[in-house]
Amino acid sequence: QVQLQESGPGLLKPSETLSLTCTVSGGSVTNTSYYWNWIRQPPRKGLEWIGYIYYTGSTNYNPSLKTRITISLDTSKNQFSLNLSSVTAADTAVYYCARAQVVRGEKRWFDPWGQGTLVTVSS
Amino acid sequence: DIVMTQSPDSLAVSLGERATINCKSSQSLLYSSNNKNYLAWYQQKPGQPPKLLIYWASTRESGVPDRFSGSGSGTDFTLTISSLQAEDVAVYSCQQYYSTPPTFGQGTRLEIK
Repeated sequence: QVQLQESGPGLLKPSETLSLTCTVSGGSVTNTSYYWNWIRQPPRKGLEWIGYIYYTGSTNYNPSLKTRITISLDTSKNQFSLNLSSVTAADTAVYYCARAQVVRGEKRWFDPWGQGTLVTVSS
Repeated sequence: DIVMTQSPDSLAVSLGERATINCKSSQSLLYSSNNKNYLAWYQQKPGQPPKLLIYWASTRESGVPDRFSGSGSGTDFTLTISSLQAEDVAVYSCQQYYSTPPTFGQGTRLEIK
């Protein structure tokens, strides 16, 4: 059974770079059937997809965040990571990593999800 | 981007009664080549990540109680809990995977009356 676990700093100052890692256990990030995603949820708000990475290293980012995001893959550690630059208070959220199946190029629903990690941006 | 709008924002239902949550998409989620609606529903309990309940608008995920059902097609979808249990208190969200970026509804908070 695949499990995902986020890790990284919980408190940042404005203009700093958010760096989170998702460690995958019970499965491989090189599995060709899955995309690896980051999703966030600001306090008392809905979920927002940030972006994904595929085992080939190809990525796709939410246009609303595209200029500030980098998602990368470390197959040796079975991890993928998120960097979000120039953070502001608006980036305060619970950040989740999640897996999505891909079938004939179609991305599917998100399952499973990591437990999530709260990142707070405050001076 | 496809905008997903849920109604109501919050809902209070008595134990054993039916709960109905609606989700409307800004464009059709029905893919004509396979006649499938690219919509999922998630349940999120306090302090927990979202849990997949339903995909293809009406297919229940393995292990999900059969009191949960999904219906609808095109742009209008419904999640129904036929007989509300105390453990169903949660926020429910719909999500489209028809196109990138995948987008979610704002969530509906379900409480016990």
